[in-house]
Amino acid sequence: QSALTQPASVSASPGQSITISCTGTNSDIGTFKYVAWYQQHPGKAPKLIIYDVSGRPSGVSSRFSGSKSGNTASLTISGLQAEDEADYYCCSQSTSNTFYVLGTGTRVIVL
Amino acid sequence: EGQLVESGGGLVKPGGSLRLSCVASGFNFNTAWMNWVRQTPGKGLEWVGQIKSEAHGGTSQFAAPVKDRFIISRDDSQNTVYLQMNSLIIEDTAIYYCNSNPLSAVDEWGPGTLVTVAS
Repeated sequence: QSALTQPASVSASPGQSITISCTGTNSDIGTFKYVAWYQQHPGKAPKLIIYDVSGRPSGVSSRFSGSKSGNTASLTISGLQAEDEADYYCCSQSTSNTFYVLGTGTRVIVL
Repeated sequence: EGQLVESGGGLVKPGGSLRLSCVASGFNFNTAWMNWVRQTPGKGLEWVGQIKSEAHGGTSQFAAPVKDRFIISRDDSQNTVYLQMNSLIIEDTAIYYCNSNPLSAVDEWGPGTLVTVAS
């Protein structure tokens, strides 16, 4: 089971926009619309912020948006705020022997 | 809004066993597919296993590192999912989270329970 590939960290100043990539294969991201993104603050459980590639759960800020092209999914955070400093993980359904594959995680640093 | 609470974590010796529980509330547990996901302190998330709803056969799947050592079961009458962990190794040390309706709009996570495997 290979993890989806994310950059280790991304940093930007408040108010700027950032995009986090998540690269998979034809066995996961390239095949399914079931791609999600999670936000995790230190010491806390992950929280869903994007589902079905670009869907936003109730209560999640519109500053978070998702997209997909081929085998790569992306999360964009616009108008970066201090509270957005956290770890972000992508996740996809998979056709491999496992049902579920997670990304390596990206630490977002607000300068 | 759904809520999940895990319990059963603790310190166990290599080769030992432990059973984790996850109690759900606030959503229709009967129809929920349930995941267990773990996180080694300071590291990333790792999918452990999943059990489908009874309507979808109630079958389970596991990640390669735990296959043949871990078992997932569910008791819909108690809104509870279990993770039975056998033949534990040091590398199983992690915070274990249960996760309901994965990848859906109502995806929820519990706060996690810490499992430490050490002699």
